[in-house]
Amino acid sequence: DSGVTQTPKHLITATGQRVTLRCSPRSGDLSVYWYQQSLDQGLQFLIQYYNGEERAKGNILERFSAQQFPDLHSELNLSSLELGDSALYFCASSSGHGAGQYFGPGTRLLVL
Amino acid sequence: AQKITQTQPGMFVQEKEAVTLDCTYDTSDQSYGLFWYKQPSSGEMIFLIYQGSYDEQNATEGRYSLNFQKARKSANLVISASQLGDSAMYFCAMGNYGGATNKLIFGTGTLLAVQP
Repeated sequence: DSGVTQTPKHLITATGQRVTLRCSPRSGDLSVYWYQQSLDQGLQFLIQYYNGEERAKGNILERFSAQQFPDLHSELNLSSLELGDSALYFCASSSGHGAGQYFGPGTRLLVL
Repeated sequence: AQKITQTQPGMFVQEKEAVTLDCTYDTSDQSYGLFWYKQPSSGEMIFLIYQGSYDEQNATEGRYSLNFQKARKSANLVISASQLGDSAMYFCAMGNYGGATNKLIFGTGTLLAVQP
């Protein structure tokens, strides 16, 4: 158990809908990262937050947005969903010191 | 731009034998970190081992060791005494030195199957 929690574990929705994925980082970790894993694109970095502020952006679509709240949990919002958004979405956290990012169990999103 | 290459899509190994998973990287940075993650069929990503570009000794964590050859830009993972539970997808990744404050760039992964 990495200490990072993600909800929900599975999500099935329809095209055009909007969903919210939630992540709670390890206790004390200030950085939260979101990654997308799909068969065609592999594991891709989406966005990073550090202590409530956006720190870095990767290949995140304009239809996607994220935020980190004062209690350090983070949410990834996916809107106007398309079939191609079906993927495993990971949240990871780190303390800012030392090595490693610790991943949550992921949210498996299926868009029908 | 940073890039990670894993050229072995899949590998077989006999239980109790050692196996090496290949990883090469490309970066113009002097300061960077290399990571290995394990992804079992259940889907979670498990952090295995880290090597910093300035670290002179190869990293080891239990049965995992990282064969770091800086001049060759390779960071191969060695698993000793393979166990059935080692069957999983293994990803090599690159981040900044320390790894904690920057995104990770992942390779395409190697699927390892341990045979009894």
